[in-house]
Amino acid sequence: NAGVTQTPKFQVLKTGQSMTLQCAQDMNHEYMSWYRQDPGMGLRLIHYSVGAGITDQGEVPNGYNVSRSTTEDFPLRLLSAAPSQTSVYFCASRFGPTGYTGELFFGEGSRLTVL
Amino acid sequence: AQSVTQLDSQVPVFEEAPVELRCNYSSSVSVYLFWYVQYPNQGLQLLLKYLSGSTLVKGINGFEAEFNKSQTSFHLRKPSVHISDTAEYFCAVSTLGGNKLVFGAGTILRVKS
Repeated sequence: NAGVTQTPKFQVLKTGQSMTLQCAQDMNHEYMSWYRQDPGMGLRLIHYSVGAGITDQGEVPNGYNVSRSTTEDFPLRLLSAAPSQTSVYFCASRFGPTGYTGELFFGEGSRLTVL
Repeated sequence: AQSVTQLDSQVPVFEEAPVELRCNYSSSVSVYLFWYVQYPNQGLQLLLKYLSGSTLVKGINGFEAEFNKSQTSFHLRKPSVHISDTAEYFCAVSTLGGNKLVFGAGTILRVKS
């Protein structure tokens, strides 16, 4: 079972470059989300989606874009990378209102460094 | 909006000793509560959750937590820890039907032999 798959696992960018973090899940989950993890700050929600074509902002959305064209995929785009975006990024998914159990399933993370 | 405070950033404990990791939350409405564990260089996995019913919740690996509404707490306990329990533990809260899961800053549990 693949679960939630994130690529790439590691990435180094220069300030101003753009990139996309990929996230795919094979559990037919309606809900998908992106978090960033920084030392001493826990995980903070960037964006989330409750289904294909529907996205919304979390706590820290500035500098990031998302789209949800299919149930399986939820890419996170950095438009113009800044050193403050150096972090570990996690994609997570769960069932929607139907079949809700509360449990989020996490990918293994993508470590991004912006120089 | 809801928030979570984990009262200890690090908890060192000897193997086979009991441990309690403390979590307090703030919310003006009813909540769901969770504890997740993160082993080094891995994603998070669910330890246990409180959605409704009994306030004492049992999870995986011998952990349990008690929901205390009057004290707005959800402390995690284990009667006897193992070296393999060394990890970072996160408390999290969401509102009923809410789409935002809010995490605390995390508590690093270090189990020493």
